Parts: sequence; structure tokens; C-alpha cells
Amino acid sequence: AQKVTQAQTEISVVEKEDVTLDCVYETRDTTYYLFWYKQPPSGELVFLIRRNSFDEQNEISGRYSWNFQKSTSSFNFTITASQVVDSAVYFCALSVYNFNKFYFGSGTKLNVKP
Amino acid sequence: ETGVTQTPRHLVMGMTNKKSLKCEQHLGHNAMYWYKQSAKKPLELMFVYSLEERVENNSVPSRFSPECPNSSHLFLHLHTLQPEDSALYLCASSQTGTSGSNEQFFGPGTRLTVL
Repeated sequence: AQKVTQAQTEISVVEKEDVTLDCVYETRDTTYYLFWYKQPPSGELVFLIRRNSFDEQNEISGRYSWNFQKSTSSFNFTITASQVVDSAVYFCALSVYNFNKFYFGSGTKLNVKP
Repeated sequence: ETGVTQTPRHLVMGMTNKKSLKCEQHLGHNAMYWYKQSAKKPLELMFVYSLEERVENNSVPSRFSPECPNSSHLFLHLHTLQPEDSALYLCASSQTGTSGSNEQFFGPGTRLTVL
């Protein structure tokens, strides 16, 4: 069975602080994909990143970075120097070979205060 | 229009009404999805259509009836709903492959309120 756990329900930080959102996944498949999505108050989920199970290289995109560690089954997301516009709900998701069925975590609500 | 669009954006209906939600994708994808997002609950996958065939139905009550007339359009027909069906209904699309690698693109959702 597949499962994604985002233990942090809500996080509040002050602007310019760094923040890390945790994601732990479970799967017995050896080939899988991990994703992060952002859901701003408008409601639409916005795709941020995809990572496959064979590529453990960390990735940086501007203020965003992702740390994928198979040894701990984690795919954590760090925002450096957070901004108010980063306030949103962030979802981690897992996909295995099954018509792209996604298993979403419960989401982490990030509040960035000015 | 680009991406995934959904109409209406907001819908209020009584328990005896019949209404439909519409989703259209302009990305050339061959799979479409309906999700339900209730307050303080994880995203719930409701239906998956791949190549216009329903491939997933996650024990959704029969008062929700999906329809996929072609690869670009997806409908969710609603009838005799309950107040607990009030939620944000999200549509998504993706390009199916054997590796499950392709990200899903989401529409803005329909906020449904059942009175």
C-alpha cells in the first residue's frame, strides 16, 4: 500500500525566515515518483516539482529546495527567506505505476507573517 | 483558454436539485480526474478516466455520476446531494504513461455548497 504523511498540519513563520516542510512516504514499489504542489487561497493546486525514485540528487530552484532521501523515505521541501506570497497549503504526493494515481498527504498550511 | 478550466466556480444547491460540474483541459492530455477536498481532510480521489474509460471509482456514492465524452471534457453530475457533500471539487488532467511519472495539472475547482 502507498501512503504519504505530512506530520506538520500548520506552520507559522515570520517573513525572511527559512522553513522546511516534511514529507514521509511509504511504498513497496521500486519505481515511483514524488511531487510537491502548492495550493494558494484561490484553490488551484500548482505543480512545483517531480522527482523519480532513481534520482536522489537534491534540487534547488530559486528560494525553493528539495531534499530526497530514500534511506529515510523522505522528500522534504525548504523555502529560504520566506515571503508572504509563500503562504499556502503545500501537498506532497506519491505516484506509482497505476495510471498516474496520486497518493496525497494531508497537506501543511504555511503562514508567513510580515 | 489554457490549462484546466472548471465551471462553475461556485455552486449552491438544494438537496433535491440536479446540477453538473464541467471540466475542460487544453493540454492534450489523455487522463482526467475528479477529486473532493473537504475542510481539514486529505484530497480524496473520486474518479479517474484514462483514454475516456473509467479506470478508478473510489467507492463514491451513486449520487455522483461522472461522464467523459472525450479526452478534453469531464463532467460530474450531481443529484440528491447531502450537506456533507459540500466541498471543493477539483479536476485534474495528465498524460498517462507506464511509469506514472507525469504530473497532474489542476483546475481552480468548484466550491459546492449543499443546503
